[in-house]
Amino acid sequence: KQEVTQIPAALSVPEGENLVLNCSFTDSAIYNLQWFRQDPGKGLTSLLLIQSSQREQTSGRLNASLDKSSGRSTLYIAASQPGDSATYLCAVRPSNAGGTSYGKLTFGQGTILTVHP
Amino acid sequence: EAQVTQNPRYLITVTGKKLTVTCSQNMNHEYMSWYRQDPGLGLRQIYYSMNVEVTDKGDVPEGYKVSRKEKRNFPLILESPSPNQTSLYFCASSLYRGSLGYGYTFGSGTRLTVV
Repeated sequence: KQEVTQIPAALSVPEGENLVLNCSFTDSAIYNLQWFRQDPGKGLTSLLLIQSSQREQTSGRLNASLDKSSGRSTLYIAASQPGDSATYLCAVRPSNAGGTSYGKLTFGQGTILTVHP
Repeated sequence: EAQVTQNPRYLITVTGKKLTVTCSQNMNHEYMSWYRQDPGLGLRQIYYSMNVEVTDKGDVPEGYKVSRKEKRNFPLILESPSPNQTSLYFCASSLYRGSLGYGYTFGSGTRLTVV
């Protein structure tokens, strides 16, 4: 059974810092990995999607890497801002024996990020 | 605008009164899924559907039903809601094209309270 762990559970940083959020997963047979942002009581906004064959993806100040063999992904946020304060969720989508996917996401518990001015 | 639309956003109901939470997507996605989110337990999958008339159980299907009669709609039905189904519910959808991987798009959520 796939298990996804996110470290740290919470992080508080001053504005302007570069920071790294970690995600690890136990089964390396993944189809892709997706990072989401969730504001309190709100829905999930997709930040980055990394296919199993990719090593990293970038969007603006965000960079996500994937090391499938070691079961790890990191989300790097450059020059953090108070508006980045939210919960960040990592989710993996498994692949099946045929290399495709039935689509179920397994989520980590999230990292609660607070960026203070 | 490409989106997943859930209704209602908020719902308070009484134990045993049947309810339906609707979910609709306008992206012609094959995959659709329902999740519930609870403090300390994270997001857990309730049911999913790979295409029209194809549905299957997720991790926590007890007390829920779904149907997929049309590609765009995937309603979640609680036949006899109980207080332990009080939660934040999310519908999500995704394209699937053979070996190509696509990400999920999530709805804004439905906060359900059963008293």
